[in-house]
Amino acid sequence: QVQLQESGPGLVKPSETLSLTCSVSGYSISSGHYWGWIRQPPGKGLEWIGRIYHSGRTDYNPSLKSRVTISVDTSKNQFSLKLSSMTAADTAMYYCARDLAGDSYGQFDFWGRGTLVTVSS
Amino acid sequence: DIQMTQSPSSLSASVGDRVTITCRAGQTMTHYLNWYQLKPGSAPKLLIYGASNLQSGVPSRFSGSGSGTEFTLTISSLQPEDFATYYCQHSYSNPYIFGPGTKLEIK
Repeated sequence: QVQLQESGPGLVKPSETLSLTCSVSGYSISSGHYWGWIRQPPGKGLEWIGRIYHSGRTDYNPSLKSRVTISVDTSKNQFSLKLSSMTAADTAMYYCARDLAGDSYGQFDFWGRGTLVTVSS
Repeated sequence: DIQMTQSPSSLSASVGDRVTITCRAGQTMTHYLNWYQLKPGSAPKLLIYGASNLQSGVPSRFSGSGSGTEFTLTISSLQPEDFATYYCQHSYSNPYIFGPGTKLEIK
């Protein structure tokens, strides 16, 4: 069974850069598929942030592209999110997930439980 | 961006009821439409992919239909564990967009 787990700071100061890591077990990232990040602000809907292929190719949501970097470390079976210039509007639950784009219909078939990130001084 | 709408935004129903949630897209996306269930404290769960394909392990009371711009998620007989929030998501192009969600509550 594929399992994903997000880790990172729960509190980030305004203007700082958020760094989150998603650790994958039960499947080798090197084997394929895309790996993505999605977030949900409190009381609001889900927003797709972006994704990375095992080879390192990335796709980002244009609304966040200038601030987002997603990277992969196949040796640790992890992928990471960096979001710069954080503001209160970036306060959200951040999820990582496996994205089957290119192999199926682009569905997210396995998700982490999420990690809550609050932006506050 | 392809905009997504869902209706209703909330729904009260009883155990055993049949419920249908509708998702509409701002442009055609053939069958690139997926449905998820979210519960507080749990990982989101994929229910339906490609508009009508039941994800492995998901009970058969869940079904999806539609194509183009209008899609539906149907739960044939509500169970207590089905009370949650449901989201549609298109995967037709960048950026992926989720619908605003439908909160299913116990009547």
